[in-house]
Amino acid sequence: EVKLAVHGGGLVEPGSSLRLSCVASGFTLGDYYMEWVRQAPGKGLEWIAATRNRAKDYSAEYSVSVNGRFTISRDVSQNILYLHMNNLKTEDTGIYYCARDGGIRSFDYWGQGVMVTVSS
Amino acid sequence: DIQMTQSPSLLSASVGDRVTINCKASQNINKYLNWYQQKLGEAPKLLIYNTNNLQTGIPSRFSGSGSGTDYTLTISSLQPEDFGTYFCFQHNSWPTFGAGTKLELK
Repeated sequence: EVKLAVHGGGLVEPGSSLRLSCVASGFTLGDYYMEWVRQAPGKGLEWIAATRNRAKDYSAEYSVSVNGRFTISRDVSQNILYLHMNNLKTEDTGIYYCARDGGIRSFDYWGQGVMVTVSS
Repeated sequence: DIQMTQSPSLLSASVGDRVTINCKASQNINKYLNWYQQKLGEAPKLLIYNTNNLQTGIPSRFSGSGSGTDYTLTISSLQPEDFGTYFCFQHNSWPTFGAGTKLELK
């Protein structure tokens, strides 16, 4: 059974760093494109980052809103996807989801989401 | 970026109703349009990918159509478990979601 479990959320001050983990089970992380999507409180969904699979050298892309501050990576030996978030801003507050890309950006499995609150 | 305009933002309907949700892109997205359902406190769920392909396990009362800039999600006969918020998502270029349509019980 495919499962994604997200960990690492919390309350941090502006300018801080935080690392989210997405533990995958039931499939081989290296075989799939993986994505991060976030949702500000009471708002809609925002795609923020993606990493391609092993065949595409795990290359990454980012939304304008996080480019240069967030980095996506994965530990394929542990089947874990990471989102490293630096220089956090109050507008980064929200629920962060990881998702598996089942093909052509069809996000077929999602983690449960974790809350990140950036506040002084 | 491609802007996705969903309508209506709020839809009140009854069990058994046929409902449609629309999504208009600011430019041609070549049918690279997915639909997701989100219930309160849960992660989104993929319903339809690439305009009209039903995701495995999704009931056949859900269907999608469209081309160019205009896309529609249809639920043929609303069931109690269908209430929630629906988002369209384009992946023709930098991915963007619509603002969502909240489907509530009339």
